[in-house]
Amino acid sequence: SSELTQDRSVSVALGQTVRITCQGDSLTNYYASWYQQKPGQAPVLVVYGVNKRPSGIPDRFSGSNSGNTGSLTITGAQADDEADYFCGSRDKSGKHWVFGGGTKLTVL
Amino acid sequence: EVQLVESGGGSVQPGGSLRLACTTSGFIHSDFSMSWVRQAPGKGLEWVAHIKQDGSERYYVDSVRGRFTISRDNAKNSLYLQLNSLRAEDSGIYYCARDTGDIVTKPGVPDIFYYYMDVWGKGTTVTVSS
Repeated sequence: SSELTQDRSVSVALGQTVRITCQGDSLTNYYASWYQQKPGQAPVLVVYGVNKRPSGIPDRFSGSNSGNTGSLTITGAQADDEADYFCGSRDKSGKHWVFGGGTKLTVL
Repeated sequence: EVQLVESGGGSVQPGGSLRLACTTSGFIHSDFSMSWVRQAPGKGLEWVAHIKQDGSERYYVDSVRGRFTISRDNAKNSLYLQLNSLRAEDSGIYYCARDTGDIVTKPGVPDIFYYYMDVWGKGTTVTVSS
């Protein structure tokens, strides 16, 4: 199975824009999906497919995909966005899932 | 309201067994593939197993194949994970998730598939320790 690589931590000033990236071979076949997880809570889907957001997710969250890299962008980061963010996709076989190791986002 | 509720977690000795259950509501259970995802304490997400809508196809991460079995009962809107021969490294929170996807088709370029887990339960905790 393939792997997805994420930076372990990223920080952003309140109100500024931050991009979290995810790299892996499987992303040349499948778009990444992105999950937000706050301490003690279950993951929540925030972005998937071609820059789609589930109902209730603010439009400051957006996604993009290029080659073997998927990106999650938060435009105008809020204190409430401080969390761990995981990317995920099917692996090259299409039968298994892989997740990135997660990026801890700190909002300063 | 779409909801997933896990149960069945607990403490067990190495080599022991547990059966996790996930009860769904608010959507047509049989319309969706489902997955189990786990998270060891302080660690990231690890996909464990996936089952198609009718149970005809099941896939597992290498570390659990032959020890864990995923199943479902669509009449009961339920998903299960049988955990056998448990090891300390199987400890963590086990989440069930609704697993779905779609396809992007554009003329002249290869189709792009995308999959996502759009609904998650709150999880059930498994502790394997002597």
